[in-house]
Amino acid sequence: GQQLNQSPQSMFIQEGEDVSMNCTSSSIFNTWLWYKQDPGEGPVLLIALYKAGELTSNGRLTAQFGITRKDSFLNISASIPSDVGIYFCAGRRNNNDMRFGAGTRLTVKP
Amino acid sequence: NAGVTQTPKFQVLKTGQSMTLQCAQDMNHEYMSWYRQDPGMGLRLIHYSVGAGITDQGEVPNGYNVSRSTTEDFPLRLLSAAPSQTSVYFCASSRDRLTEQYFGPGTRLTVT
Repeated sequence: GQQLNQSPQSMFIQEGEDVSMNCTSSSIFNTWLWYKQDPGEGPVLLIALYKAGELTSNGRLTAQFGITRKDSFLNISASIPSDVGIYFCAGRRNNNDMRFGAGTRLTVKP
Repeated sequence: NAGVTQTPKFQVLKTGQSMTLQCAQDMNHEYMSWYRQDPGMGLRLIHYSVGAGITDQGEVPNGYNVSRSTTEDFPLRLLSAAPSQTSVYFCASSRDRLTEQYFGPGTRLTVT
């Protein structure tokens, strides 16, 4: 099935640095979602985007729904150690078909 | 309010054995779903339910059965486990199919 291409696969950054990750697809989605997963836990929704071009923030996190509806990005500003985890993008079509990216594993060095 | 709970947290099965992964939610959510998570891949939808008595197949349903006799519970059954079913399984629930999904903590299943 159609999966999302998420990059980068992993990132090693210094505390305080900004982080950027993105998700692309050859198909159009009506909703883009970004999740974070901590070890041994299920994913938790960070940001949901419902309109092409939409830019939404949640604290230090900012995500955008691409104009073409085929991509989305997530930025984390001024990273802190608790930002460590795996970040997943997900795209949803109207028929509830939801696809997930393979995840970006973030490591933050103090 | 416990949210979404899953049991067991870990399970090892031999090929051919059967088992049921339990999922329960106490948020009165209509929509529930099961995903599997494999290394290097995103979550993939196995089965879902839009309400009690209604279930449907997702992207990778083969080898799994589900039922939804109550709003709260959505068990996933493996009738004859295979090594390809080694994975981490997540249950999720939401008010409806378009609203935010809440995920359980997962069940790590190994089939030898």
